[in-house]
Amino acid sequence: QLQLQESGPGLVKPSETLSLTCIVSGGSISSSGYYWGWIRQPPGKGLEWIGNIYYGGRIDYNPSLKGRVTISVDTSKNQFSLKLTSVTAADTAVYYCARHWRSLDPWGQGTLVTVSS
Amino acid sequence: IVLTQSPDTLSLSPGERATLSCRASQSVSNYLAWYQQKPGQAPRLLIYEATNRAAGTPARFSGSGSGTDFTLAISSLEPEDFAVYYCQHGSNWPFTFGQGTRLEIK
Repeated sequence: QLQLQESGPGLVKPSETLSLTCIVSGGSISSSGYYWGWIRQPPGKGLEWIGNIYYGGRIDYNPSLKGRVTISVDTSKNQFSLKLTSVTAADTAVYYCARHWRSLDPWGQGTLVTVSS
Repeated sequence: IVLTQSPDTLSLSPGERATLSCRASQSVSNYLAWYQQKPGQAPRLLIYEATNRAAGTPARFSGSGSGTDFTLAISSLEPEDFAVYYCQHGSNWPFTFGQGTRLEIK
């Protein structure tokens, strides 16, 4: 079955760039009709949708993060990526990737990224 | 679109019926999903498009509503149902989540 796995550094310094990759297995990231999304959850808090990408090129970003976030896709490696620039402690969160068509399923297990010097 | 869930916390006993509410600040048609999250785990999709159970969702879970008012009902609570539940709309970007309802054992 389709599985997603986030990877990337667990610790990022303030003002630097957070970079994560989501590796998709058990299915193609080029599947028609599906988008691929990033969601985050600060410790003890709720969920925030960061953005989506479609393999054909459409990208949506949460306006609250626009200007700092970039999402890209590499169909040859069956993966998509997140970059968040100028991070602060407020960006400390568990970052999830997921497939979606208006609802998210399945999800990756999530990866905790801590912003600290 | 802002999603407001109520109550914030619901205290019930196993075997009881649970009713969770999600209200949208404007119509989201039927593009409303419900997720269950247990500690240390990713959220799991339970209900999509307001009323459809996702694969693997037990029949005791049901969703209803359209437009701005939605409900997730659990007919008879099992011990494994005590968790945090989130609603999420997929009507128009940006998609958003409700703040969550914590279902705890009384």
